[in-house]
Amino acid sequence: SAVISQKPSRDICQRGTSLTIQCQVDSQVTMMFWYRQQPGQSLTLIATANQGSEATYESGFVIDKFPISRPNLTFSTLTVSNMSPEDSSIYLCSVRREESYNEQFFGPGTRLTVL
Amino acid sequence: AQKVTQAQTEISVVEKEDVTLDCVYETRDTTYYLFWYKQPPSGELVFLIRRNSFDEQNEISGRYSWNFQKSTSSFNFTITASQVVDSAVYFCALVGGGYNKLIFGAGTRLAVHP
Repeated sequence: SAVISQKPSRDICQRGTSLTIQCQVDSQVTMMFWYRQQPGQSLTLIATANQGSEATYESGFVIDKFPISRPNLTFSTLTVSNMSPEDSSIYLCSVRREESYNEQFFGPGTRLTVL
Repeated sequence: AQKVTQAQTEISVVEKEDVTLDCVYETRDTTYYLFWYKQPPSGELVFLIRRNSFDEQNEISGRYSWNFQKSTSSFNFTITASQVVDSAVYFCALVGGGYNKLIFGAGTRLAVHP
């Protein structure tokens, strides 16, 4: 399995501010993803973080609201911009190792509350 | 389109009962992978199993077992002799062979009471 860490683990933010979440993996991985889990809901894919190019966003998610960086094969950041209470969710980083037959692992998540 | 359906929203059992969590999927891919994850109250997502579409052999791991049936597009998960520590939300998920996106079901919340 991959060891994935996220920072911060949780935060409480004011409406209108932005928060950047960091994801660090203990080894190089080809594929990294960002998911959102709203309270009591399932996981929804926000975007695929591509190393060296712009992230690929899913329908309903845009770069201006959720800018993503991936400077190398072990690190990525997700920014939640101009936050509103509707952004209160758990944000999870995920990686997939193709060499392990596409096993996909998740970080511990960042629990965000927007007041 | 790909879809995962977990029809059971919540299940409540008493310790030591056996419980089966249902998962039905839809995909047009001939190659795909199915997953089960556990999300305990602490919130982290724990990988339980991955199964590829060419391997219909059932799998057992301790008290956990999985029944994969392509004929009914189902990948059900059974916990034998449930324990309080099994209380969690369980997610079934699917990724197609040629596509990157891991699609999750809505999840089943399992409560095991002493």
